Amino acid sequence: DAKTTQPPSMDCAEGRAANLPCNHSTISGNEYVYWYRQIHSQGPQYIIHGLKNNETNEMASLIITEDRKSSTLILPHATLRDTAVYYCIVRVRDSGYALNFGKGTSLLVTP
Amino acid sequence: NAGVMQNPRHLVRRRGQEARLRCSPMKGHSHVYWYRQLPEEGLKFMVYLQKENIIDESGMPKERFSAEFPKEGPSILRIQQVVRGDSAAYFCASSPTSKRWELFFGEGSRLTVL
Repeated sequence: DAKTTQPPSMDCAEGRAANLPCNHSTISGNEYVYWYRQIHSQGPQYIIHGLKNNETNEMASLIITEDRKSSTLILPHATLRDTAVYYCIVRVRDSGYALNFGKGTSLLVTP
Repeated sequence: NAGVMQNPRHLVRRRGQEARLRCSPMKGHSHVYWYRQLPEEGLKFMVYLQKENIIDESGMPKERFSAEFPKEGPSILRIQQVVRGDSAAYFCASSPTSKRWELFFGEGSRLTVL
């Protein structure tokens, strides 16, 4: 699986958009980008995934650059409950093996 | 539809004792994954099981740790002769097939070794 690089921490004001970057410069053509988050003391929660097109669901949007070397997770209107560690993971979708979580980005949403 | 259920949520053991952690996957899910999270660290994959089969145990320590997922009943992560370094949160996740991108995680079991 390709390695990912994320900033260790970020702040965001409540109600503003939170933009979380992820670099994956060694990604290969059949690897997807997945995002999970872990709210303190809870199990991780799936957010979104994508291959090369931008994706949106009820939780977030995922923007993948044209060369696929980086991506951004966007929480359009951050709330205090979005304070969590966000993990960007790259892997082959149907490999059948588990996701490997790195250190992620600790997002703090402030009032 | 109940989520992934893990128990106990908190477990305290003395060095040398055994710890058994149980995981009941979501209804209809036959694939189970165990992860360990040491204090202030990310989640590390341990083992991936299907019913009655261990598919990938590349993340399991070579000694004292074992896992099973019997035909009936929950998946069990067993740690024999626990040491202080085993103190961690152990998370279980499930999925309906191996070809899914979304893993559903439980709330974790927190093991403290005195």
